[in-house]
Amino acid sequence: QKEVEQNSGPLSVPEGAIASLNCTYSDRVSQSFFWYRQYSGKSPELIMSIYSNGDKEDGRFTAQLNKASQYVSLLIRDSQPSDSATYLCAVNTNTGFQKLVFGTGTRLLVSP
Amino acid sequence: EAGVAQSPRYKIIEKRQSVAFWCNPISGHATLYWYQQILGQGPKLLIQFQNNGVVDDSQLPKDRFSAERLKGVDSTLKIQPAKLEDSAVYLCASSLRLAGEWNEQFFGPGTRLTVL
Repeated sequence: QKEVEQNSGPLSVPEGAIASLNCTYSDRVSQSFFWYRQYSGKSPELIMSIYSNGDKEDGRFTAQLNKASQYVSLLIRDSQPSDSATYLCAVNTNTGFQKLVFGTGTRLLVSP
Repeated sequence: EAGVAQSPRYKIIEKRQSVAFWCNPISGHATLYWYQQILGQGPKLLIQFQNNGVVDDSQLPKDRFSAERLKGVDSTLKIQPAKLEDSAVYLCASSLRLAGEWNEQFFGPGTRLTVL
């Protein structure tokens, strides 16, 4: 069973702090990695994708990938209360077509 | 650009009844996905279509679930008969193509199913 694991949280951070969300995956052939944000009662929304080892920055968000350690993380700088949501890590476990396996998500709470 | 449309938004049925969900993907998107999201879990892929063909249905409980995308556009997912454990949000997503980088999946609002 190909697995994606996340700490369910909640991860509580004060406004303005850096939130660090982590994800590990079991399948070494995984090629691409995604972070989705899901507000309560809403559908997932893609916020970051990463395909190569290293860091990828987009605004306040930075995704980090280490394929050797099978580890991907999401950093949110200057966290805002509006960032409070569940963050889902998704891994494409297929070498051909895109087939995503999602983690259970980490709930982030940003307090004012 | 219109997003992924789903209906109904909510459905309550009794166990052993049947139910159907409808999805209309973003115009021009060739790939369509149905996910099941149980409360507190991440979405689980049930079935994936490329145009009107099934790409992957390895996690679809075929004894009770069926899905079709006859004309390669909209799709229906059916459960017959429903069980209590089918209570979940059923999410439809679409993407422009089957593979490749920058192939973002866009999700619809979902259908919340409650089986009593």
